[in-house]
Order: sequence, then C-alpha cells, then structure tokens
Amino acid sequence: QSALTQPASVSGSPGQSITISCTGTSSDVGNYNLVSWYQHHPGKAPKLMVYEGSKRPSGVSNRFSGSKSGNTASLTISGLQAEDEADYYCCSYAGSSAYVFGTGTKVTVL
Amino acid sequence: QVQLQESGPGLVKPSETLSLTCTVSGGSVSSGSYYWSWMRQPPGKGLEWIGYVYYSGSSYYDPSLKSRVTISVDTSKNQFSLKLSSVTAADTAVYYCARFLTATAGFDPWGQGTLVTVSS
Repeated sequence: QSALTQPASVSGSPGQSITISCTGTSSDVGNYNLVSWYQHHPGKAPKLMVYEGSKRPSGVSNRFSGSKSGNTASLTISGLQAEDEADYYCCSYAGSSAYVFGTGTKVTVL
Repeated sequence: QVQLQESGPGLVKPSETLSLTCTVSGGSVSSGSYYWSWMRQPPGKGLEWIGYVYYSGSSYYDPSLKSRVTISVDTSKNQFSLKLSSVTAADTAVYYCARFLTATAGFDPWGQGTLVTVSS
C-alpha cells in the first residue's frame, strides 16, 4: 500500500484555525472509519490525538477535531497555540490487518 | 500508566539482522485488548507501519517488509521484539514500539524511539 498524502507544511498565526488533509483511496481512508491522527514533536514519542476519524482520547484538547469526506480525512486545529507546532501524521486501516501512515505535515505557528 | 521502552543495538552491518526489544511496564502484553506494534521513521521521512503481534503470537506485517520481518512476544518477560533481516542502508531509521488498541484502532502510547543505523 502507498502512504497517504498530506501537505508537507501548514502554517497559521496564534488563535487561527488550520486544517490538515490526508488523502487516501477507496481501499483505505474511503472504505473504513478507522483514521487516527498523531502529533509528533521531534525527539519525543508520537501522541494519539484523534481516533476513529473524529474521536478524541481523554486528555486531548477539544481544539483538535477530525472529519472525513470520501477518500480524504482532515484534522482541524482551532485556536492555534505555540505548543501545537509539531509534525502531524494520519494513519488508516488498509484492510488485511494492515495500516498505512500519511506522509506527514509540519505545522508552523507564525 | 503503561510505558514502553525500546532497546537494542544502535548500529547494524548491512546484510545482517536488526533486533530490537520493547519492554512494557505498567501493563501486560497478555491483555487481549491490544496488539503490540512496531513503526519506524527514516531520517527526514515520515512514519511507516512495520507490523504488530497479539499476545497469542499471531502477527501481521506491512506487505513490503513481510519477507524480512518477524515480530514476536514474550509474555514471561512482558516484552515483544522485532527482527528485520538482510538490512540495507534504507533500513536506517528511528524505530518505535507502541500499543495498539483494537477497540479504537489507535496506537497509544508510544515508546521514545531508538535510532538504528545500518552501516559497515
């Protein structure tokens, strides 16, 4: 399976909202409601931010929200804060007990 | 609180086998609610799913790595392991272990990662 496609970078000013897209195919993102999103500060452990497309684990800020339309999933960060500056990865079930990650997006807070 | 920690050699020679272990603390690898996973991140690139193992020993792998990968679990030591054979420079990466919750299809938590360099 091929990596899901994400924009290389997205930026925004503090307080603004940004959206990161994650485009797959009808064999992964489009066929299952099993997309998760991870925040990764370099040198640290990645952190689960959203699962099953739109659900947040306990402790994750409600500024993070997920959605899906067709073969594209999205992560929206509202009220952007300096601490949100990190790399973000989507991940989708791809069938046959396999998973595939996205190419990753670097979020910059201006 | 469950914590995972990767360990193993930081340098492996080309054509040899990469071997890493993930030690789980604060939880049990024998729990039927989880799979135990390995991912990697080559320098300057994105995350890649390698595969996962269930406490029973059932394992699943990325198709592109399947011929070279073995993930196993040792319930007596509360650990699980990754073996990747016939490595090349393309296998140089930070390797992460993580818990996969079947109910949510999410990887959480992750270990800090360990850098493995393939070089002679």
